Amino acid sequence: DGGITQSPKYLFRKEGQNVTLSCEQNLNHDAMYWYRQDPGQGLRLIYYSQIVNDFQKGDIAEGYSVSREKKESFPLTVTSAQKNPTAFYLCASSIAQGGGNQPQHFGDGTRLSIL
Amino acid sequence: AQSVAQPEDQVNVAEGNPLTVKCTYSVSGNPYLFWYVQYPNRGLQFLLKYITGDNLVKGSYGFEAEFNKSQTSFHLKKPSALVSDSALYFCAVRDRSGGYNKLIFGAGTRLAVHP
Repeated sequence: DGGITQSPKYLFRKEGQNVTLSCEQNLNHDAMYWYRQDPGQGLRLIYYSQIVNDFQKGDIAEGYSVSREKKESFPLTVTSAQKNPTAFYLCASSIAQGGGNQPQHFGDGTRLSIL
Repeated sequence: AQSVAQPEDQVNVAEGNPLTVKCTYSVSGNPYLFWYVQYPNRGLQFLLKYITGDNLVKGSYGFEAEFNKSQTSFHLKKPSALVSDSALYFCAVRDRSGGYNKLIFGAGTRLAVHP
């Protein structure tokens, strides 16, 4: 089955530690996205990538970093500079063509908490 | 700037009754609008979209949405609610700022269907 796999499902971060969230898709989508979800705030865009080796900052990129070395993979690193990382993180992908008329497909998320 | 608003934090409806979840938007140009549903600890699932054409859009699980340009609204509807429809619903609009296609999400509306 085609889809998006996020791992781990739960992650705990210690003070001063960087952690990396994995996102893999086998949908052959060019575009991939990372969102942060906090209660009552909807989804906020962290980073997005339209093609391999290229990515752009979203609305809340500070304290986060990404890479896009392969079409299938778009890992997100939550750095120690992100002072409030506790949230539900969602990865998504979509077909890039079509002028934005294609829906995004989502993984089942990673819940990150501070130890 | 593009934006989308969901004016109700929660909607309560009895099983078998019709349901409406409201969404209004503000965009420059023609809007591309989407509805997604999220079940607990899961990612978002695409329900339906409006790009152009018929103002009444039909989607998954018996849901439909009505695009109203004069009222800048895109309300989600279902003729007969099920308890299993209880979930968090998000409206989203395409954003093309910066030359890349992204989605801007509303804060979400929690739908509670009571037996």
